[in-house]
Amino acid sequence: AQKVTQAQTEISVVEKEDVTLDCVYETRDTTYYLFWYKQPPSGELVFLIRRNSFDEQNEISGRYSWNFQKSTSSFNFTITASQVVDSAVYFCALSLTDSWGKLQFGAGTQVVVTP
Amino acid sequence: KAGVTQTPRYLIKTRGQQVTLSCSPISGHRSVSWYQQTPGQGLQFLFEYFSETQRNKGNFPGRFSGRQFSNSRSEMNVSTLELGDSALYLCASSLAWAGNTGELFFGEGSRLTVL
Repeated sequence: AQKVTQAQTEISVVEKEDVTLDCVYETRDTTYYLFWYKQPPSGELVFLIRRNSFDEQNEISGRYSWNFQKSTSSFNFTITASQVVDSAVYFCALSLTDSWGKLQFGAGTQVVVTP
Repeated sequence: KAGVTQTPRYLIKTRGQQVTLSCSPISGHRSVSWYQQTPGQGLQFLFEYFSETQRNKGNFPGRFSGRQFSNSRSEMNVSTLELGDSALYLCASSLAWAGNTGELFFGEGSRLTVL
């Protein structure tokens, strides 16, 4: 069975501070996909990134960056120079190759950015 | 391009009643998944459909059922509602097909309250 753990329940920062969200996953499969989604108050889950298990390259997209380390089964997410609009719940998720519509989500981390 | 559309957005039912929720995927997407989100259990996978066939089912009782139509639209039904069924029900669609896991695009959800 797959498991995704987001140990941080809530993180509060002041605008312009960096914030790092931790994600640790468990799976016995060698091929899998990892995702990060953002859920603003409106409720819709917004896709941020997908990474497959064979691609350990870190990625930067604007103020967002991701650090994937298979050795520690971690897929951490950093928001640089946070803004109030970044306030949301962030979910890490995992899926297997043959179950693309079935995501195992972590519990989510609430990020609160204050001016 | 229109996103994933879910109807109704909000509804209130009483215990014992049944409810049907509808989801229209993004045009061209043939994969539809459903998730239940509650404060206590988080995001939990319900079902996944591809080309009118249920590919995966989550660990929910038989009161939860779904189907997909030839135009890829999907419905889910919950019979004999219980208080614990109060939740945000999220639908997601994907371009994914066998061997190629794509990201899920989520709708804004249907918020069900059971009294």
